[in-house]
Amino acid sequence: GQQVMQIPQYQHVQEGEDFTTYCNSSTTLSNIQWYKQRPGGHPVFLIQLVKSGEVKKQKRLTFQFGEAKKNSSLHITATQTTDVGTYFCAGGEGKSTFGDGTTLTVKP
Amino acid sequence: EAGVAQSPRYKIIEKRQSVAFWCNPISGHATLYWYQQILGQGPKLLIQFQNNGVVDDSQLPKDRFSAERLKGVDSTLKIQPAKLEDSAVYLCASSSVGGAYNSPLHFGNGTRLTVT
Repeated sequence: GQQVMQIPQYQHVQEGEDFTTYCNSSTTLSNIQWYKQRPGGHPVFLIQLVKSGEVKKQKRLTFQFGEAKKNSSLHITATQTTDVGTYFCAGGEGKSTFGDGTTLTVKP
Repeated sequence: EAGVAQSPRYKIIEKRQSVAFWCNPISGHATLYWYQQILGQGPKLLIQFQNNGVVDDSQLPKDRFSAERLKGVDSTLKIQPAKLEDSAVYLCASSSVGGAYNSPLHFGNGTRLTVT
């Protein structure tokens, strides 16, 4: 079945450093969604990408969808302590298959 | 708008006992999902409903798990009998229907199940 892999599993950064997480699928995706889960919380929807090569920005967050629609990335510029949490990508046709996430910790 | 409601928040049971979780989706959301999230992993889809019909239950362990969504609104997920490996957070999510692509999922706070 469809698999969605995320790397790295963990990332520790100093506040102000940049952060990037990558998502790779074994099959072509119709769309990709990104979610953030704070410690002890539930996943919260961030954004959805649909078009090949699409790039979307939300303040310090930049999301990209690969040309082949099999990979995606989330880049955070100048991390803040409020960015801590686990970032999940999810993709699929009609249902969302989640990766295992990248857990970000930020040292003040 | 009110979010997805789930209860209980926590549940501790012994193996071989039964347990049930309840979910009330966002008003007007036709699609309801149950996910299992084991510590350190991403949510894994157990079952997806469209109104009161099952769309996908391919990953539901049907020998012990069951779910229903009577009247196409709230839903219950049951485990009977529970095993140690069922310890996880059970997340309910809902989404609106429409368009050719997946609608964003709105998650509830989840039920943390511990099986001892």
